[in-house]
Amino acid sequence: KAGVTQTPRYLIKTRGQQVTLSCSPISGHRSVSWYQQTPGQGLQFLFEYFSETQRNKGNFPGRFSGRQFSNSRSEMNVSTLELGDSALYLCASSQTGNTEAFFGQGTRLTVV
Amino acid sequence: GQNIDQPTEMTATEGAIVQINCTYQTSGFNGLFWYQQHAGEAPTFLSYNVLDGLEEKGRFSSFLSRSKGYSYLLLKELQMKDSASYLCAVAADDSWGKLQFGAGTQVVVTP
Repeated sequence: KAGVTQTPRYLIKTRGQQVTLSCSPISGHRSVSWYQQTPGQGLQFLFEYFSETQRNKGNFPGRFSGRQFSNSRSEMNVSTLELGDSALYLCASSQTGNTEAFFGQGTRLTVV
Repeated sequence: GQNIDQPTEMTATEGAIVQINCTYQTSGFNGLFWYQQHAGEAPTFLSYNVLDGLEEKGRFSSFLSRSKGYSYLLLKELQMKDSASYLCAVAADDSWGKLQFGAGTQVVVTP
């Protein structure tokens, strides 16, 4: 069974640009969560999607948004990038949201 | 507020046992999870506790006391490959899809 797949693995963007990250969950998993990981703040929850609906949202500005498609694949978008958005963005999937979550390899975003 | 505390770093010898403590103060509780993360890699799921008591999975065990807001992860028969960051996470809401993580404990295994 394939694991959680995130694309791209690495990205370099300029301040002010926007970026879209993609996550394909494990087959059969309907819940997808996004996290931001930085050395200073650790792992912080961004949002969770279940059956195409946002079920939970973390304390991030409106520049961070996401969506989920009917095949459970999810995307997150960050607009007007800031230097502080440089981080590892991790996606995790679970069957229902009430079973253990499995993480993808992450997308390393660098904003210059 | 929400707080999940764990030690920053622990060092132990190959073959030994190490116990990583985690204390939490969250607005709700629906489960506590332990993940292992090697440098540059994704976190991998180790174990979870919903009810009080000990859960054993091979060389790894996790304990939970909800009344004390306390958990620990026990790593037995340490191997060099166990050198990694260990993350304690709490599901405070109904969904386990929203996890609050501690800062992680870096375990260094020495020969």
